[in-house]
Amino acid sequence: GQNIDQPTEMTATEGAIVQINCTYQTSGFNGLFWYQQHAGEAPTFLSYNVLDGLEEKGRFSSFLSRSKGYSYLLLKELQMKDSASYLCAVRGNDMRFGAGTRLTVKP
Amino acid sequence: DTGVSQDPRHKITKRGQNVTFRCDPISEHNRLYWYRQTLGQGPEFLTYFQNEAQLEKSRLLSDRFSAERPKGSFSTLEIQRTEQGDSAMYLCASSPATGGGAFFGQGTRLTVV
Repeated sequence: GQNIDQPTEMTATEGAIVQINCTYQTSGFNGLFWYQQHAGEAPTFLSYNVLDGLEEKGRFSSFLSRSKGYSYLLLKELQMKDSASYLCAVRGNDMRFGAGTRLTVKP
Repeated sequence: DTGVSQDPRHKITKRGQNVTFRCDPISEHNRLYWYRQTLGQGPEFLTYFQNEAQLEKSRLLSDRFSAERPKGSFSTLEIQRTEQGDSAMYLCASSPATGGGAFFGQGTRLTVV
């Protein structure tokens, strides 16, 4: 089975950096994914890690440690539009999601 | 083909009626997933297909739910004898068989009254 844990809510200030953590337990591993979801919309794909280390994509970076079952999503230079839920997902034989972290960016 | 499409976008039905949703994945994607999402929660896995084969079905999925992907392209999700607890957003996603993320459709919002 799979367990995926991430904080329920986080708050940060515009222009700052925020790190959203995700820990997971899975019987098989074929990649860890981060998605962004605005209220009332479908999730949109942000990043993908299959090997240990940091993947950078503009203002967003994602880190993976397979031995620790740990990942984080780093958002830099926060903007108001980054207020959304961020979902951690693990692909084993299928793809399972965490409950999401609701990020609020304040001016 | 610009992405995953789902139809309808919204469905209101009376309790006890049957409903069917359709998903058209990205054409070159072998895998197709169905999820259910309620307010404030992450997507809850329902089932997935690789080509036309249904490889896994969540134990949370009662016998009232069935999904098909007869030709390995589009998929349908049917809910029989709907209950108020079935009210949710039903999301479809597709991905390549190996590597890469899953891309979501806009979802079908079901309201059972």
